[in-house]
Amino acid sequence: EIVLTQSPTTMAASPGEKVTLTCRASSSVSYMHWYQQRSGTSPKLWIYETSKLASGVPNRFSGSGSGTSYSLTINSMETEDAATYYCQQGSSYPTFGGGTKLELK
Amino acid sequence: EVKLVESGGGLVQPGRSLKLSCAASGFSFNDYWMGWVRQAPGKGLEWIGEINQDSSTINYTPSLKDKFTISRDNAQNTLYLQMSKLGSEDTAIYYCARALVLRYYFDYWGQGVMVTVSS
Repeated sequence: EIVLTQSPTTMAASPGEKVTLTCRASSSVSYMHWYQQRSGTSPKLWIYETSKLASGVPNRFSGSGSGTSYSLTINSMETEDAATYYCQQGSSYPTFGGGTKLELK
Repeated sequence: EVKLVESGGGLVQPGRSLKLSCAASGFSFNDYWMGWVRQAPGKGLEWIGEINQDSSTINYTPSLKDKFTISRDNAQNTLYLQMSKLGSEDTAIYYCARALVLRYYFDYWGQGVMVTVSS
């Protein structure tokens, strides 16, 4: 099983602030995918194949990484970005990271 | 519009069984792999398993393969999850999701259905 470790577990950001969430894999993976989950709703595909934005995702979001280290970056935090973000790999059977809860400061 | 609607959840006693359904619409159901993911209260996401288009390949996360069975009915555009020997650790929201297996991710998710295992 490939274990994904996300950091930080929780963070708060002010509007306009740059935010970077990280995801580390216990073994090298080919791609990383990210989901956004707002409170009380189902997860939504947010970034796929490491760096491609899902439909409707604002371009202030970006994804990058390779091997065992991946990140999701928000160029300028907005109110609507407050949510929990999960990374997911599919190189082995699918596993998810524990999530990063991003709050508005 | 792609739509996935789960049903069949509720309160179930420990040791009993429960079958969830996921009705799909808005896409050609028999062209896609489908999967189930669950989320315990206040916790993260856990992949349960997947099924391919013609049910010839079904995979499970190792810890659940003896308890859960995934199936599908392409004529009814419906995915199923049969759960047996339920315990309190199975209390969770259960999501069905459409899987794109080339790079393996889930592009559409249902709204989820709550399963509570308690006496």
